[in-house]
Amino acid sequence: KAGVTQTPRYLIKTRGQQVTLSCSPISGHRSVSWYQQTPGQGLQFLFEYFSETQRNKGNFPGRFSGRQFSNSRSEMNVSTLELGDSALYLCASSAHSDRTSGYGYTFGSGTRLTVV
Amino acid sequence: GDSVTQMEGPVTLSEEAFLTINCTYTATGYPSLFWYVQYPGEGLQLLLKATKADDKGSNKGFEATYRKETTSFHLEKGSVQVSDSAVYFCALSPNTGNQFYFGTGTSLTVIP
Repeated sequence: KAGVTQTPRYLIKTRGQQVTLSCSPISGHRSVSWYQQTPGQGLQFLFEYFSETQRNKGNFPGRFSGRQFSNSRSEMNVSTLELGDSALYLCASSAHSDRTSGYGYTFGSGTRLTVV
Repeated sequence: GDSVTQMEGPVTLSEEAFLTINCTYTATGYPSLFWYVQYPGEGLQLLLKATKADDKGSNKGFEATYRKETTSFHLEKGSVQVSDSAVYFCALSPNTGNQFYFGTGTSLTVIP
């Protein structure tokens, strides 16, 4: 079966612009989570969506937002981009209802965002 | 709060050497524990997992045992190969919710 698909793979944006990243989870997976990966901070949790509802949110400013559609596809938006937003953004889907314990994530290959 | 502490890298080993990457955790309750691997330019792949104390996860020659008494989940492999060169992440998932806590990652390079 198809894995988690993230588009685009690479993106270059200018400071102050906004960007939208897309994630299509594995068919049947209803939970989608987003992570930011940087060399300095490692993997940091952004937010998690389940059945179109945001259930968990990490400690990121309001410039970072997301949504999930009825087909479980998710988008992440970053407004007013800053140089520090340059990172690999990873999407992960999970097959679970209300508990993660025992389940793993399946990650996409990520979107490499560079802000110049 | 919940957290994972992972051995600092980078680690460089010769082919066929024994590998240990240490991982300890802090969590309330009974989390599940995972090891993920990331190859260059790719996302993270699940390597193995353990969901309760004394469970041993294993895959591709890698093993890790969930030790509640020492709050550890060390990754081991008896004989590493060049193809094992990657970054390894230890992670925990609390028994409620869907947020994972990742360690900082350990870069492994295996030289022929």
